Amino acid sequence: GQQLNQSPQSMFIQEGEDVSMNCTSSSIFNTWLWYKQDPGEGPVLLIALYKAGELTSNGRLTAQFGITRKDSFLNISASIPSDVGIYFCAGRFGSGGSNYKLTFGKGTLLTVNP
Amino acid sequence: GAVVSQHPSRVICKSGTSVKIECRSLDFQATTMFWYRQFPKQSLMLMATSNEGSKATYEQGVEKDKFLINHASLTLSTLTVTSAHPEDSSFYICSARDPRPGIRGYTFGSGTRLTVV
Repeated sequence: GQQLNQSPQSMFIQEGEDVSMNCTSSSIFNTWLWYKQDPGEGPVLLIALYKAGELTSNGRLTAQFGITRKDSFLNISASIPSDVGIYFCAGRFGSGGSNYKLTFGKGTLLTVNP
Repeated sequence: GAVVSQHPSRVICKSGTSVKIECRSLDFQATTMFWYRQFPKQSLMLMATSNEGSKATYEQGVEKDKFLINHASLTLSTLTVTSAHPEDSSFYICSARDPRPGIRGYTFGSGTRLTVV
């Protein structure tokens, strides 16, 4: 089955620093999604990517869909304390029916020190 | 934007009883919803795909007789944990895909913390 490797597992940074995390897949995906999850809450969509090579920004967040379709990265610039949380990448292989289901990475726990 | 409501947010039940969790799409129709389970400090594990008007598709290793899924309408899917035991204690999350043009990604509910005592 498809596997997603997400790294790093955790990061401890100072407020104002930039952050980068990435996911790689053993197989091709046609959709990459990045989510943030706060404790006790469901994941919230940050950025969705649908084309190989696509680079998309959402405020201080930037994500790219790798041209090989097997990887994606998420960058956060000028981190602030409220960026704390767990960030998940998720990929989707196909379309239609059960191919709508997502495969999730193991998450990156981000801690921001004020 | 797409909104998914999940209820209850927390539930404590006695071992051997059943618990029902509801997942509603509030502003769109969802032909497909997904149920996940998440243990502390772990990722989301897909349990099943809920299909409106038909049987759910369960992932390998998930007992369909224990985790009953009903998707009776385009806006509601329910997950019933039958004869719950302490090992079923977990965080359960639903998600739905909004098929409307221009809506990106999948929307998640806020999750249900189940504690079986």
